[in-house]
Amino acid sequence: AQSVTQLGSHVSVSEGALVLLRCNYSSSVPPYLFWYVQYPNQGLQLLLKYTSAATLVKGINGFEAEFKKSETSFHLTKPSAHMSDAAEYFCAVSDRTGGFKTIFGAGTRLFVKA
Amino acid sequence: ETGVTQTPRHLVMGMTNKKSLKCEQHLGHNAMYWYKQSAKKPLELMFVYNFKEQTENNSVPSRFSPECPNSSHLFLHLHTLQPEDSALYLCASSQDIGQGLDYGYTFGSGTRLTVV
Repeated sequence: AQSVTQLGSHVSVSEGALVLLRCNYSSSVPPYLFWYVQYPNQGLQLLLKYTSAATLVKGINGFEAEFKKSETSFHLTKPSAHMSDAAEYFCAVSDRTGGFKTIFGAGTRLFVKA
Repeated sequence: ETGVTQTPRHLVMGMTNKKSLKCEQHLGHNAMYWYKQSAKKPLELMFVYNFKEQTENNSVPSRFSPECPNSSHLFLHLHTLQPEDSALYLCASSQDIGQGLDYGYTFGSGTRLTVV
């Protein structure tokens, strides 16, 4: 069965600093990996996805993530944080076994300081 | 309207009440999902429908009853809930469950449920 672990329930960065949100996954078959963002009082919005093409994936709002099979990781980065990036970020994993279910991590809340 | 719309946005109900949550999508998708989001816990998958057929019931208590009358609408009927059922209930959709892997999901804004 798949699982996903997000390291750090809260991350705080200064405006302009590098954003790094960590995600490790477990899957017995090649995984599909996603990052979603949730702003207050809203649903989740897809940021980016890895589906076995390029290992470095670019998403919306300047975010990118790198799939590293040897480390079973899919960390999310952004070179320079903006105040508007403050939100909760969810890593998710799916595969074609077990009913195509998507399993989400517990989320990491990003705070951006002025 | 476009996207995934959930109503109501907020709901307060007593433990003996019966209420329903509604989800509607205007994306032409054929798979719809219910997730429960509780504080400090990962999103919990509850139900999956693909082309109106239920393909997943993730051991959800029978006090939650889903209904999918067509590919555009999904309901969650609630009765005799417990206070621990208070949460944000999110609906999502994808082209179908297979393409949900390729393209991800589109989520609604959720219904904030409080059981008193």
